[in-house]
Amino acid sequence: DAGVIQSPRHEVTEMGQEVTLRCKPISGHDYLFWYRQTMMRGLELLIYFNNNVPIDDSGMPEDRFSAKMPNASFSTLKIQPSEPRDSAVYFCASSPRGGLARYEQYFGPGTRLTVT
Amino acid sequence: DQQVKQNSPSLSVQEGRISILNCDYTNSMFDYFLWYKKYPAEGPTFLISISSIKDKNEDGRFTVFLNKSAKHLSLHIVPSQPGDSAVYFCAASASLTEAGTALIFGKGTTLSVSS
Repeated sequence: DAGVIQSPRHEVTEMGQEVTLRCKPISGHDYLFWYRQTMMRGLELLIYFNNNVPIDDSGMPEDRFSAKMPNASFSTLKIQPSEPRDSAVYFCASSPRGGLARYEQYFGPGTRLTVT
Repeated sequence: DQQVKQNSPSLSVQEGRISILNCDYTNSMFDYFLWYKKYPAEGPTFLISISSIKDKNEDGRFTVFLNKSAKHLSLHIVPSQPGDSAVYFCAASASLTEAGTALIFGKGTTLSVSS
């Protein structure tokens, strides 16, 4: 299995531009998570989906952030408009359904976003 | 307010010795705990977990201890190897709550093992 795939790996953009991050979860996994990692706040959950349905988006910082999962093999995290404080590493993770296995999340390599 | 705290940002250990990484939590609803390991430019990878019904779980060189009364857990690595040098994240979940699938992570401890 290829693992969780994220693209792009690096993104540099100017303030005010729209940014779209992409994620392909592991096939057969029912849960998909988006995290953001910063020095100040560490690794924080933004939103997660179960069977393509958003379950908890309480971690999404503000309306500029949105996430979709149109099908079981693809999700996007969009920031519009982007701001310098959005600079961070964004991780996507997926996990299988059932019991405690759903906690053993498989992370992608992350997208390093820099907003200038 | 941090619900999962890793108070030591870094730890240095010599090869062959024991590494002990600590984690404290504040939410008494947490009942499942995990450790993840992260190398530079990679995502975190699951290492070991423990349920609140246990006080110890062992997997090879890695052992996690849980002290529920103190709301404290620790990860022991024996013997430490240079390849263990990484950032270690403690994570917790309240599996019986609505948001039970969400993990709350600590900020991580950077372990450096010298040869």
